[in-house]
Order: sequence, then structure tokens, then C-alpha cells
Amino acid sequence: DVKVTQSSRYLVKRTGEKVFLECVQDMDHENMFWYRQDPGLGLRLIYFSYDVKMKEKGDIPEGYSVSREKKERFSLILESASTNQTSMYLCASRSGAGGFEQFFGPGTRLTVL
Amino acid sequence: GESVGLHLPTLSVQEGDNSIINCAYSNSASDYFIWYKQESGKGPQFIIDIRSNMDKRQGQRVTVLLNKTVKHLSLQIAATQPGDSAVYFCAETMGGGSQGNLIFGKGTKLSVKP
Repeated sequence: DVKVTQSSRYLVKRTGEKVFLECVQDMDHENMFWYRQDPGLGLRLIYFSYDVKMKEKGDIPEGYSVSREKKERFSLILESASTNQTSMYLCASRSGAGGFEQFFGPGTRLTVL
Repeated sequence: GESVGLHLPTLSVQEGDNSIINCAYSNSASDYFIWYKQESGKGPQFIIDIRSNMDKRQGQRVTVLLNKTVKHLSLQIAATQPGDSAVYFCAETMGGGSQGNLIFGKGTKLSVKP
């Protein structure tokens, strides 16, 4: 079974803090994704990566950056957290060898005060 | 001020009844579709998928129907159980590369009454 893990289930940070959300997958997947999920807005893609050290902007990249130094790990960085970044953050991975199913982690609920 | 999110469409069914959850997708070029289930406090989980060269696919207690003419997807759950209570999302994609990324619907909340 594919397993996608996220470093924290719940996180509380203060405005202006730098925040790191970590995601690790154990199935050697090439593709990894970061989404945020807000009530009534569904899943919105922040950034994605097709390979190590590669990153592409999704639909809402403003205020975020990412890092992919190793194939299994994809980090989301909030350089200076703001209250409008309070949300559920979901990481996902997908194999590059055909198929479009994405496997999701359990999510990190981030609150910025 | 803080924006207020839209309320999710909600479907309430009696335990044992069949459920039908609908989804209108956006892109006529999409050729692959997935249904995900998200239980409270968890990440989305794959339920079933269908390619555009099919109009129906069945799994265990679930059936997905695809109508490309009107860009409509539905998920049917037979003999709905309390464990089926969750938010259900459809997702579409157009193929490989960045076009292989999924575009998600807003979701429908299914509540099962015992």
C-alpha cells in the first residue's frame, strides 16, 4: 500500500512566522503535490513537482514555496505566515508510470493566529 | 474581512437505500475521471475511476456513470451504510505531463441516517 505521511496533524503558528510542512511518500513516486482545502472551495493546487529539485506553480502559489531535495520528500514553506493561510493542507503523490490516481496524506490543519 | 466559504451540497439518505452523487465536470477534453471519499479528519481516498472511452464502471457496491454529452459524472452507492458518510469529490484530468494533474470538484457531503 502507498503511504503518504505528513509531519503534523495540527499546527498553530503566529503571523509572520516561517512554517515548514513536510510530506514523505514511500512508493518511489515521481510526482508530488501540495493542496490546500477550504470549506466550500474544494482542493486547490499550490505547487507540484515531477522530479527531484523540480517544482511548478499550481493555481495559488502566492505566499508559498516548496523544496524537493529527495524523491520521497516534498516540503511546503510559508515564508511569513498570515491569517488567510489558515487551512487544511494536503500532500499527495502519484506514480509517473501511467495512471493518474493521486494518493493523499492525512492532512495538516494549520491555524495562523 | 474574512470570507465565508460556500456550503457544501448535502445528500441525506436512509441506511440501506441507494445514494446517487452527481458531478458536472468542466473540460470536454478530459479523458479520465476519479471519485474520492474523504472522511472527517482524513485525506481523500480513491474509490473508483473511469476513462472517457467507457460510460459505466462498477466496483464493490459503487458504480460510476459518465455522460460525455452533457459532461456529467455520477457515483452510485448501493445499500448505503453509516460508514459511507463522508464528503465525495469527483476529479478530472486530460492526460500526461502537467495536464495529468487532477481538477477537483467542490464535493458533496453524504449523511447516512440509521
